[in-house]
Amino acid sequence: EVQLLESGGGLVQPGGSLRLSCAGSGFTFSNYGISWVRQAPGKGLEWVSGISGSGGNTFYADSVKGRFTVSRDNPKNTLDLQMNSLRAEDTAVYYCVRWNGYGDYWGQGTLVTVSS
Amino acid sequence: EIVLTQSPGTLSLSPGERATLSCRASQSVSSNSLAWYQQRPGQPPRVLIYGASSRATGIPDRFSGSGSGTDFTLTISRLEPEDFAVYYCQQYGGSPRTFGQGTRVEIK
Repeated sequence: EVQLLESGGGLVQPGGSLRLSCAGSGFTFSNYGISWVRQAPGKGLEWVSGISGSGGNTFYADSVKGRFTVSRDNPKNTLDLQMNSLRAEDTAVYYCVRWNGYGDYWGQGTLVTVSS
Repeated sequence: EIVLTQSPGTLSLSPGERATLSCRASQSVSSNSLAWYQQRPGQPPRVLIYGASSRATGIPDRFSGSGSGTDFTLTISRLEPEDFAVYYCQQYGGSPRTFGQGTRVEIK
């Protein structure tokens, strides 16, 4: 069974940093791209960042470019999203998603709240 | 960036009725690279349709997708109680990948 488990969410002040992690299981992790998709409270879905299966290619939405960095450790089947210079508008549930251009498997999400 | 506009915003129907949801793109979506998702309250989205018309694994055949170019449709032939949820379309023919704003299907 394919599973994705996010961790690392929490409350952070504006301008602060947070590191989210995602652990994958039930599939050959290195064969798949992974994306982060977020959902602000009561709002729709926004693709944030993606990384290829090898980790050699990374992609970012304009809204987070230069502030967020995605990386992966394939031997450990894990993925990280380093979030710096956080803003109130980054407040959302962040989902780790197995990505084939679209998301075929989603984690349960982790909540990031940016507030003073 | 390809902007996806979903309509209607809310659809009020009864169980057993047919639901027709629309997703219109601001420019042609290459290779019909469009997916549909269902999101129930408190749950992550799950993919229903990819490639505009291919059902994902385990999705009942009452869900069907159609369309090409800039106009796409998700049809639920007979609504079951568990189908009342929010539905999103997403394109993956262009970068960045973008989502529609969602259509809520509610019980009338």
